[in-house]
Formats: sequence, C-alpha cells, structure tokens
Amino acid sequence: RKEVEQDPGPFNVPEGATVAFNCTYSNSASQSFFWYRQDCRKEPKLLMSVYSSGNEDGRFTAQLNRASQYISLLIRDSKLSDSATYLCVVIRAGGTSYGKLTFGQGTILTVHP
Amino acid sequence: NAGVTQTPKFRVLKTGQSMTLLCAQDMNHEYMYWYRQDPGMGLRLIHYSVGEGTTAKGEVPDGYNVSRLKKQNFLLGLESAAPSQTSVYFCASSNSGGDTRLYFGPGTRLTVT
Repeated sequence: RKEVEQDPGPFNVPEGATVAFNCTYSNSASQSFFWYRQDCRKEPKLLMSVYSSGNEDGRFTAQLNRASQYISLLIRDSKLSDSATYLCVVIRAGGTSYGKLTFGQGTILTVHP
Repeated sequence: NAGVTQTPKFRVLKTGQSMTLLCAQDMNHEYMYWYRQDPGMGLRLIHYSVGEGTTAKGEVPDGYNVSRLKKQNFLLGLESAAPSQTSVYFCASSNSGGDTRLYFGPGTRLTVT
C-alpha cells in the first residue's frame, strides 16, 4: 500500500459546482498535512495547510480525519481557473532533517463552462 | 525576488551522456531539494541538502549526484544518462526542513533517448 494515496480522477465538474477530494495516508505517525496545486506543465505551489480543527480559505476548505487517516479538500463554487492537479502532502516525524515528506500522485480537476 | 530558478528548461540527451541541472534560489533558504515527477508516481525526492556543503540521499538517489558548494545553488548531475531518467525534475527550497512550505522552481523536462 502506498504511504499516501489520492484518487487520480479526473474529476470533471461544471462551473459553480462543489467538489471534494480525499487523500489517505497509511502512517499514523504523520503529523503535518498540506494541499498543493499544480497547473499543467508548471511547478507545484502551496494551496493551504491542513489543521486538525479544519480550516477554510475563501472557497476552499481543508479537513483532517486522524481516526480514519485521511485529509480532504472541498472546493465550493468552482471556477474555470480551479482546473489543475491537486497534490496532498503528508509529513511524518522521522528524525531526519527534512522530516519524511511524501506527495500523493495528485487528483486532476477540470472545471468546464 | 526571482525565487527558485532552474536551468535548462528542456534537454534531450542520448543514453550515456552526462549533464548537470542547476538550481538557484535567492531567498536565503537553508534547505534545498531535487525531485523528479513521473506520471502516476507523484513527486519523489532524489537528494536534498540542509545547508551549504551538505548533501543527503532521498528516496531515489541512484544514478544522480549533487553538490551544494554555495548556499544559493544546488546542482544535480547525471553521469551516464539512462532512458529511465526521462522525467520532469523540480528543484525546491525551504526555510527549514519538515513542516515548512516548499518553494519550487519551474522544472526541467529531460528526455533520454
């Protein structure tokens, strides 16, 4: 089983729709979680951190479920510009300098008119 | 600030040739990383550095070498390129290791024939 797994999609939704993706992780020692966004043929960029209590940034809501070991990203009122690949990142305390940072393979979202 | 830059942007190599990818950052970050991204595999860490003069192996270091002679530069070398090294290579930097935001460069698309 992969340490971090995402449904690769693609998710095709109309403008204005609400869409959610999950990311599951296998190591219960995972401590920090992030969502990155990657546009086609571009570099990943941080979208938002995921806090234990859940957090919101405009139309985006991130949640963490430690019991079931997954994080989620909810996008409300989808815009065409939300079309991208969404990467989850899980960091496990591993005693190494860089922690143990693992990327999911990404979920492709396409928002159509 | 230019952030993180990478050269070259594209390169085609023949099997057995060598090349060096250059990453530069102007944010005075201590940590620098080299990732490769392949379809369905997510981003995988090749090598990383926690400061000038230091380097360490990541998940997939075989066939690559790195050097960090100056704090702002991180070089990735392929001594004898193989078709399996065809990939998109991303450099990243961060203020510290583990639980911090990664800043990525725009990537280098490498094809080995």
